[in-house]
Amino acid sequence: QSALTQPASVSGSPGQSITISCTGTSSDVGGYDYVSWYQQRPGKAPKLMIYEVSNRPSGVSNRFSGSKSGSTASLTISGLQAEDEADYFCSSYRSNTTVVFGGGTKLTVL
Amino acid sequence: QLQLQESGPGLVKPSETLSLTCTVSGGSVSSDDYFWGWIRQPPGKGLEWIASFYYGGNTYYNPSLKSRVTLPVDTSRNRFSLNLTSVTAADTAVYYCARLVIYAYSSGWYFDSWGQGTLVAVSS
Repeated sequence: QSALTQPASVSGSPGQSITISCTGTSSDVGGYDYVSWYQQRPGKAPKLMIYEVSNRPSGVSNRFSGSKSGSTASLTISGLQAEDEADYFCSSYRSNTTVVFGGGTKLTVL
Repeated sequence: QLQLQESGPGLVKPSETLSLTCTVSGGSVSSDDYFWGWIRQPPGKGLEWIASFYYGGNTYYNPSLKSRVTLPVDTSRNRFSLNLTSVTAADTAVYYCARLVIYAYSSGWYFDSWGQGTLVAVSS
């Protein structure tokens, strides 16, 4: 099954805000509010950052926020910090009880 | 605190069956509240969901892998497994076990806890 579309890379300076997009179709991102975002540091397991489009798990900084418009979801990180440098993956429920991930975005903090 | 730990061989020969186990602590694989399953990540690539199950209930599969996947459960040892048959080099990846949150029958669909992952290479 085809993946959700994310930019391969984004970058920003400390203190700035960046946004990572995640584009799907009406069968996944556009049809359901079940989009989640994961942060993955090198050699580590993914960590849940956002669930159900815009909800933050306990312990995740409020600098991380999520939103959705149509078939595109977005993750915004404000007040960028060096520790935010990582790969970020989106995920969505897709029709017929399946889960699909995005290809991942490498965030570089300049 | 919930912890998941993958274990299994790091090398599998082509055409053979890849078998991994996920041992769960701090939670129960027979819980009524959660699904459990597997996700993989080829080296340098993105994540791919494999399958997830709810004990005593449904199992959901990635359609592209469904014909090769089974998910046995051992409640006495609080662990579950992945069997992937007829492997090829394309199945080389880090394999993660994870808890999938689905509630109210169809809401949620996010992975809130992951194992550390285990690398499996397919090679002769």
